[in-house]
Amino acid sequence: EAGVTQSPTHLIKTRGQQATLRCSPISGHTSVYWYQQALGLGLQFLLWYDEGEERNRGNFPPRFSGRQFPNYSSELNVNALELEDSALYLCASSLPGNYEQYFGPGTRLTVT
Amino acid sequence: GEDVEQSLFLSVREGDSSVINCTYTDSSSTYLYWYKQEPGAGLQLLTYIFSNMDMKQDQRLTVLLNKKDKHLSLRIADTQTGDSAIYFCAVIFSGGYNKLIFGAGTRLAVHP
Repeated sequence: EAGVTQSPTHLIKTRGQQATLRCSPISGHTSVYWYQQALGLGLQFLLWYDEGEERNRGNFPPRFSGRQFPNYSSELNVNALELEDSALYLCASSLPGNYEQYFGPGTRLTVT
Repeated sequence: GEDVEQSLFLSVREGDSSVINCTYTDSSSTYLYWYKQEPGAGLQLLTYIFSNMDMKQDQRLTVLLNKKDKHLSLRIADTQTGDSAIYFCAVIFSGGYNKLIFGAGTRLAVHP
C-alpha cells in the first residue's frame, strides 16, 4: 500500500513569493494534516482538513492556507514568504474517525 | 497549557535497552504517541497508547503511561544501530481536534 506522498521534495523561493505544496493521502484516508518542522521551533500543527473542510488551525498567520480536493489530496499555500518560513513541511493522513496519523516524507521549503 | 517535554539526547550500547522519557502538562490527554524520524525523512508512527491504558507492548517496544505523574516512556529492547534516530513523543489533548502536540525529540545514539 502506498504511503503519504508529497511534492515537490525541495522548493526554493524568494522572500515575498508564494509557495504551493501538495500532499496525497493514503488510499481510504479522508483526513489530511499539515505540520511545520522549523529549526529551533520543533514540530508545530498547521492545519487539519477532513471531507473537504478545514476542521482545525494552528497558531499561524492567515498567509498560510490550504484546501482539500474531492479526491482527498491537499494543497498548502504560503503567501508573502518570509525567511522564517524556511522549514520542512510534513503532511499526514488518517482514516475517518481514527487518531493514527501517518506522515509523508515532507517538502523542504527554503526561502532566500 | 498544553506542553510536552523530552530530554534531548540518549546514548546506549548496542544490545542494551533504551528508555526514552516524556512528560506532559495537561491531564486531559486522550492519545499519546511515539514517532521515529531518521535523517532527511518524515515521521514513522511507532506505537501509541490510549490514556485509559497503563502499558502497551509491541515486539521490542514497550510503552508505559503513568497518568498520575503525566509521564510516558518508550522502552526499546535489544537496541540496534538501526534504531539510531530522533524519537518524538506526541499527545492529542482533550478537545484538541486531532492536533498532535510534539515534544522536542530525543536523539538516540547507539554505539557498539
